[in-house]
Amino acid sequence: DVKVTQSSRYLVKRTGEKVFLECVQDMDHENMFWYRQDPGLGLRLIYFSYDVKMKEKGDIPEGYSVSREKKERFSLILESASTNQTSMYLCATVGANYGYTFGSGTRLTVV
Amino acid sequence: AQKVTQAQTEISVVEKEDVTLDCVYETRDTTYYLFWYKQPPSGELVFLIRRNSFDEQNEISGRYSWNFQKSTSSFNFTITASQVVDSAVYFCALSEIMDSNYQLIWGAGTKLIIKP
Repeated sequence: DVKVTQSSRYLVKRTGEKVFLECVQDMDHENMFWYRQDPGLGLRLIYFSYDVKMKEKGDIPEGYSVSREKKERFSLILESASTNQTSMYLCATVGANYGYTFGSGTRLTVV
Repeated sequence: AQKVTQAQTEISVVEKEDVTLDCVYETRDTTYYLFWYKQPPSGELVFLIRRNSFDEQNEISGRYSWNFQKSTSSFNFTITASQVVDSAVYFCALSEIMDSNYQLIWGAGTKLIIKP
């Protein structure tokens, strides 16, 4: 089975801190995604990557950046965390047959 | 424009009742996939079904069934004889096959509460 691992399940950070959320997949998939999930808003795409060092903005990239130095790892960076970035963050990957696999999520609280 | 609408924000039923979750979509493409995911309180998204736009056959899996109607752009999900373990947030999603980046367009989700 494809596995997508997010490094932290729960995270509490202070306003202004630089925050790194890590995601690792073990299936050699090219496409990886970072979503943010908020009640009533569903999942919103922050960034995605279709290859190493390649990235594209999603619907809500402001305040975020990403890094994909290796195929298996896709990192989401909050340059200067703010309270409105308190949310659930989900990483996903997809294979050529449209089989999406999600990580278990990181619940980030910014205080 | 692509869009997925789940008009029901929250549904609450008593155990053993049948319940239908609605999903209406908009897409410019003729070839696409539709998905349903379940998100229990633990937070992990659980894949339930993927349906290709060429296949309008309804599907049944145990107590779960899906009704795909291209004419009304709907892909509704019914749980028969609901159980407390069905309590979760359910998401409908769309992926256009011509989108080489495999992006998913999500509905806002329906929170389903099954009372004992």
